[in-house]
Amino acid sequence: SQTIHQWPATLVQPVGSPLSLECTVEGTSNPNLYWYRQAAGRGLQLLFYSVGIGQISSEVPQNLSASRPQDRQFILSSKKLLLSDSGFYLCAWSDRGRSTGELFFGEGSRLTVL
Amino acid sequence: GQSLEQPSEVTAVEGAIVQINCTYQTSGFYGLSWYQQHDGGAPTFLSYNALDGLEETGRFSSFLSRSDSYGYLLLQELQMKDSASYFCAVAQAGTALIFGKGTTLSVSS
Repeated sequence: SQTIHQWPATLVQPVGSPLSLECTVEGTSNPNLYWYRQAAGRGLQLLFYSVGIGQISSEVPQNLSASRPQDRQFILSSKKLLLSDSGFYLCAWSDRGRSTGELFFGEGSRLTVL
Repeated sequence: GQSLEQPSEVTAVEGAIVQINCTYQTSGFYGLSWYQQHDGGAPTFLSYNALDGLEETGRFSSFLSRSDSYGYLLLQELQMKDSASYFCAVAQAGTALIFGKGTTLSVSS
């Protein structure tokens, strides 16, 4: 069966510090990968999605970046965090061969920037 | 661009039926998905409609009208555990799922 792991689960970072969130998927090949962010009590904002190694589409210009160094690994980074970067970050995957509108989410990383 | 509209809050009692509506504006529309998210947790997939009509999965049903750019999630025989946020999301050409802002459902006894 397929699983998705995301870490760290919780982190508190000072403004201006770097960020690295990692996500890996097991049990599937060639998945589509996604990063979403959810502000407190709000909807999910699409940040990045990837259809293959090294292929990243950015939906919202900001101080975040994403990389996909391996087929089942997706990394979200920032060189200098802003207060507005606080939120719940969710990694997700979908089966590239199926158009069912179904995403499988990781458990999320809750980031607080102080 | 794209936009989705759904009510921010809905309240109901156990055993009741509730309908959460979603209207959308988008180009290259493929289908409409619904997700459930409990407080502090990750969203989980409920249903996907690519064609017009009603899809039933247990106590939950989802409906789509492509001509009206409208869909709804119907929850029957409500239980306390159904208290959660519900999101509609559009699947469209050239990008990933775009989510609405969510509807908070509160079920009381």
